[in-house]
Amino acid sequence: AQSVAQPEDQVNVAEGNPLTVKCTYSVSGNPYLFWYVQYPNRGLQFLLKYITGDNLVKGSYGFEAEFNKSQTSFHLKKPSALVSDSALYFCAVKAGGSYIPTFGRGTSLIVHP
Amino acid sequence: GAGVSQSPRYKVAKRGQDVALRCDPISGHVSLFWYQQALGQGPEFLTYFQNEAQLDKSGLPSDRFFAERPEGSVSTLKIQRTQQEDSAVYLCASSLGTGGGQPQHFGDGTRLSIL
Repeated sequence: AQSVAQPEDQVNVAEGNPLTVKCTYSVSGNPYLFWYVQYPNRGLQFLLKYITGDNLVKGSYGFEAEFNKSQTSFHLKKPSALVSDSALYFCAVKAGGSYIPTFGRGTSLIVHP
Repeated sequence: GAGVSQSPRYKVAKRGQDVALRCDPISGHVSLFWYQQALGQGPEFLTYFQNEAQLDKSGLPSDRFFAERPEGSVSTLKIQRTQQEDSAVYLCASSLGTGGGQPQHFGDGTRLSIL
């Protein structure tokens, strides 16, 4: 079985400040981890993924995420938030042998001017 | 290039009617997924195709839901005798291959409202 937890329904941050959106996972074996962003009335857009290798992965729009195996976490980060980053963010996990990812419930990121 | 296209974008139907939702994946993408997304929730898996083969339909909520991808490209999700609880956004996603590390490319969804 595989599962994802996004413990915060909403994250508020001021423009220019660093942001973190949290994600923890549970999976048998090595995980494949993904972050997606969803704007209103749109589908999900891929931001970044961790498969293997460096624990810090960089993705689109200046986002990065850190894989922490001991804490089973894959938190999304950005050094300086933009108002345009305001959206819904979804973490997803897939076991190595599975075709099907499991998505978290999502975290609403609100960046204040 | 063209992304994943879904039609219609919005569908309103009366309870008991049948509906059909269409997905045009990115050309050449082998894998195709259907998800149901309720308001304020993440996507919930419905079914998965690899080319024309439906490899997993474990997420379909009832036998009123049926999906097909006869030629390995366009896919249709059909819901028979719709119920109010079927109201949701239905998302389609495709990916290039079958490997676990492939990211998914999503369409903008069909918002289904059952009256």
